[in-house]
Amino acid sequence: DAGVTQSPTHLIKTRGQQVTLRCSPISGHKSVSWYQQVLGQGPQFIFQYYEKEERGRGNFPDRFSARQFPNYSSELNVNALLLGDSALYLCASSLDPTGDYPYEQYFGPGTRLTVT
Amino acid sequence: RKEVEQDPGPFNVPEGATVAFNCTYSNSASQSFFWYRQDCRKEPKLLMSVYSSGNEDGRFTAQLNRASQYISLLIRDSKLSDSATYLCVVTTPLYNFNKFYFGSGTKLNVKP
Repeated sequence: DAGVTQSPTHLIKTRGQQVTLRCSPISGHKSVSWYQQVLGQGPQFIFQYYEKEERGRGNFPDRFSARQFPNYSSELNVNALLLGDSALYLCASSLDPTGDYPYEQYFGPGTRLTVT
Repeated sequence: RKEVEQDPGPFNVPEGATVAFNCTYSNSASQSFFWYRQDCRKEPKLLMSVYSSGNEDGRFTAQLNRASQYISLLIRDSKLSDSATYLCVVTTPLYNFNKFYFGSGTKLNVKP
């Protein structure tokens, strides 16, 4: 079975531009989470979606938005890019993030965004 | 205070050595615990879940101490291929979802 896929792999944008990142979860997984990882740090939570609804949002500005489609794929949008948005953006899928003991998450290869 | 704290290392060990990492978490409501490994410029990959009774997977052993709020990972007979950054992950229930918190990672270098 295919794992989590993300596109594009790399992206270079200019300050002020907008970017859309895409993610397809593992077949059968209904939840997608987005993370930002900068060098030397662990992934920081941005959004979680389950069954096409936003379940949680991290401490990121409103310039960050996301959605999940009926086929459970997801997009992350970032508007008005800043230099500090340069990072690896990771998508993770899981079966069911609810319940007392959530299932583990599986990550895609990430999109490396560089803002100049 | 950070939700999850790890010693960043690096831990430099020879092949065949045993090495242990610890991780502490701040929220006593945290429910699930995992170890991930991350190779340079790659995505995190699940190494193992951590169960209350402790669990072992080959050369890897994970332990959970809820009273002291720490998780450990023991690697026996280290291989060159174990060189990576090891991320400690805890999940904490928020109002309608479980949030995954990642530590900053502990870097392991296994030398020949």
